[in-house]
Amino acid sequence: NAGVTQTPKFRILKIGQSMTLQCAQDMNHNYMYWYRQDPGMGLKLIYYSVGAGITDKGEVPNGYNVSRSTTEDFPLRLELAAPSQTSVYFCASSYTGGDGYTFGSGTRLTVV
Amino acid sequence: AQSVTQPDIHITVSEGASLELRCNYSYGATPYLFWYVQSPGQGLQLLLKYFSGDTLVQGIKGFEAEFKRSQSSFNLRKPSVHWSDAAEYFCAVGADQAGTALIFGKGTTLSVSS
Repeated sequence: NAGVTQTPKFRILKIGQSMTLQCAQDMNHNYMYWYRQDPGMGLKLIYYSVGAGITDKGEVPNGYNVSRSTTEDFPLRLELAAPSQTSVYFCASSYTGGDGYTFGSGTRLTVV
Repeated sequence: AQSVTQPDIHITVSEGASLELRCNYSYGATPYLFWYVQSPGQGLQLLLKYFSGDTLVQGIKGFEAEFKRSQSSFNLRKPSVHWSDAAEYFCAVGADQAGTALIFGKGTTLSVSS
């Protein structure tokens, strides 16, 4: 099993550009999550999904959008990138809300 | 408010010495508690989790954690640290309820000296 796959691993964006961070899981997990990690700040929840067609905002959703058209995929869209979105982004999945998460290896994004 | 506090930002331990990383939580519902480890440039790996039952839980890589409800704590321990344990450790709290997600602490960086 591949687990949770994130692409790309690294990306540099210019201010105002847009991009989509891809996340796919092959474990048939219902729940999927997007977190951002900034130095010394831990992980902050951006968006999450409890199943295909259902998404909800987390703690820091501004500047991001998500969709969940299939169980496997949960892309994160950045519109009009800003320097404040420079971060490491992690996608995770779990079978239930109380399970431990399986994390992807992350996407390091720099906005210049 | 729901929160997780890891009081120690950085800890240095000699190789072979024992380790305890502290975690305190504030959570309204019955908590599910987790410890994750992150090596540099990597994702997070689950070390152990507590849902209910025995308050001392065993995890991978020789780690264990003890849930103390009276102290709202879930401290991580290891009897003898190896150089490969140097990493960042995150405590997290959640619940098996629809519409919830894990809340993470800010992490503790462990350095291991020889």
